Amino acid sequence: DIQMTQSPSSLSASVGDRVTIICRASQGIRNELNWYQQRPGRAPKHLMYAASSLQSGVPSRFSGSGSGTEFTLTISSLQAEDFATYYCLQYNSYPRTFGQGTKVEI
Amino acid sequence: EVQLVESGGDLVQSGGSLRVSCAASGFTFRSDWMDWVRQAPGKGLEWVANISPDGGEANYVDSVKGRFTISRDNAKNSLYLQMNTLRAEDTAVYYCSRTLVNWGQGSLVTVSS
Repeated sequence: DIQMTQSPSSLSASVGDRVTIICRASQGIRNELNWYQQRPGRAPKHLMYAASSLQSGVPSRFSGSGSGTEFTLTISSLQAEDFATYYCLQYNSYPRTFGQGTKVEI
Repeated sequence: EVQLVESGGDLVQSGGSLRVSCAASGFTFRSDWMDWVRQAPGKGLEWVANISPDGGEANYVDSVKGRFTISRDNAKNSLYLQMNTLRAEDTAVYYCSRTLVNWGQGSLVTVSS
């Protein structure tokens, strides 16, 4: 199975900050990676596919990059509604595997 | 608008069985892969299984192989997860997802030991 490791596990930030979350795969997955946002008590929301393609309707302050084994999700200017937990997911092979999550807190 | 509505979550004893369902609308259900993803209380997301558009191919995470069965009824726009020999560690919110893009609100399955 491919292991996905996110860092950091949590971070504290303020509105307006630039935030970067890293996701590393235990083996190469090309660009077959999604990013999700999950607010407490809610279903995950799909943010990004193919590592760097923004899902329709997602604000442009979100961006993604990477290929192979290292990926990043960047929020250019954190907004109040962005405080949530973020997950990466690889869909290169089965079983699909998620990172453990990164909690973005005030 | 894509809508996915799970149902069937319940409290069940260890070793028991349960089927959760997902009613889909707003897209061509018979054309898309469908997934189940779960989240134990206070924990992260875990992919459980998926099924091809015609139901001919299914994939599972190792921890549920031989116990869970994913299926679909394209005439009813419905997805199912039959869970047998349930364990305490299967306690989770079970989410139905269309190609891991659109998600339902989840259905809570609690397995008591």
